[in-house]
Amino acid sequence: AQSVTQPDIHITVSEGASLELRCNYSYGATPYLFWYVQSPGQGLQLLLKYFSGDTLVQGIKGFEAEFKRSQSSFNLRKPSVHWSDAAEYFCAVGGSNYKLTFGKGTLLTVNP
Amino acid sequence: NAGVTQTPKFQVLKTGQSMTLQCAQDMNHEYMSWYRQDPGMGLRLIHYSVGAGITDQGEVPNGYNVSRSTTEDFPLRLLSAAPSQTSVYFCASSNPGPRGETQYFGPGTRLLVL
Repeated sequence: AQSVTQPDIHITVSEGASLELRCNYSYGATPYLFWYVQSPGQGLQLLLKYFSGDTLVQGIKGFEAEFKRSQSSFNLRKPSVHWSDAAEYFCAVGGSNYKLTFGKGTLLTVNP
Repeated sequence: NAGVTQTPKFQVLKTGQSMTLQCAQDMNHEYMSWYRQDPGMGLRLIHYSVGAGITDQGEVPNGYNVSRSTTEDFPLRLLSAAPSQTSVYFCASSNPGPRGETQYFGPGTRLLVL
């Protein structure tokens, strides 16, 4: 069975600091991997996705993620966090794009 | 192009009542899915469809029914609501493809069962 672990429930960073959100997955084959962001009371917005090829994936809003097969990880990074990045972030895995398994989310707080 | 729309935005039900959550997409997507989101649980797949007339169960299907008579619509039915079904429900749609085509999410329906 596929699964996703986001070890950090809540992370607080200062504005301008770098950010790394961790995601570990379990999947039997090469997975599709996604990062979504959700602002309070809103739906989900796709930040980036990995399906094959280059293991470093660029997304919107200056985010990037690296697929490491040996570590079963797909960590999300941003070099300099902005106050508007405060939100909840979800990692998801699947063998297709309609049957995803999501992690429990990481809540990001940004201090001024 | 409205994308994925969901109605209602918010609903309060009494235990035992039935209702249908509506979901529609205007992107001609083949795939549609329903998820529920609960605090600290992330999103969990309830049911999904890979085309009109084809549906299947996800991780948490009990208490929910779906049908897909058209490409555009994918309603979710609660036959007899229970307090455990209090949640935020998201509908999503996508197309098949070799490049991990993006799954688009609706704005959600917040359901409270008393």
